[in-house]
Amino acid sequence: EDQVTQSPEALRPQEGESSSLNCSYTVSGLRGLFWYRQDPGKGPEFLFTLYSAGEEKEKERLKATLTKKESFLHITAPKPEDSATYLCAVQAQGGKLIFGQGTELSVKP
Amino acid sequence: DTGVSQDPRHKITKRGQNVTFRCDPISEHNRLYWYRQTLGQGPEFLTYFQNEAQLEKSRLLSDRFSAERPKGSFSTLEIQRTEQGDSAMYLCASSFNRGHVEKLFFGSGTQLSVL
Repeated sequence: EDQVTQSPEALRPQEGESSSLNCSYTVSGLRGLFWYRQDPGKGPEFLFTLYSAGEEKEKERLKATLTKKESFLHITAPKPEDSATYLCAVQAQGGKLIFGQGTELSVKP
Repeated sequence: DTGVSQDPRHKITKRGQNVTFRCDPISEHNRLYWYRQTLGQGPEFLTYFQNEAQLEKSRLLSDRFSAERPKGSFSTLEIQRTEQGDSAMYLCASSFNRGHVEKLFFGSGTQLSVL
């Protein structure tokens, strides 16, 4: 069964203190791994898609990497506006996304 | 491109009542997905459509839940005889399927509270 596990559940770094979020997955026939950001009371907002092991993508202070079993989202020198829940999801055959439970990031000013 | 639109944003109902939610996808997106999300959890897949055809339903979708997408445009999700366990955020997403990886765009959701 396709499964996604994220850790830690919550992270509370000081502003400027770089952090790493982990996403472990098991899936048959990975088509893509997705990272989304979700603010309270809102729907998930797309950040990245990674397709194959070894791939990396960056956007401002965020960098996502992918291996055959897990993905990392690195946040360099986070700011309070980076506070949100970060969701990881895998897409197998058929198109639907299977999500992890999310990591809640709260950056202290 | 106005994004995925969901209505209403909030719904409070009494146990046993029926509720219906609407989702308007991004125009020309051929796929439409429904997810449910409870506090502290990631979204859980419920069902999806390609054009007007419902292609997959999760085991989470009991007989009290029904979804439609007439004419392959907007979609409705109806919950009959609501229960307190149905309280959750109901998210809609749409995508354009080109046969490989597809990016899902989500709406802001409908927050359902069953009293």
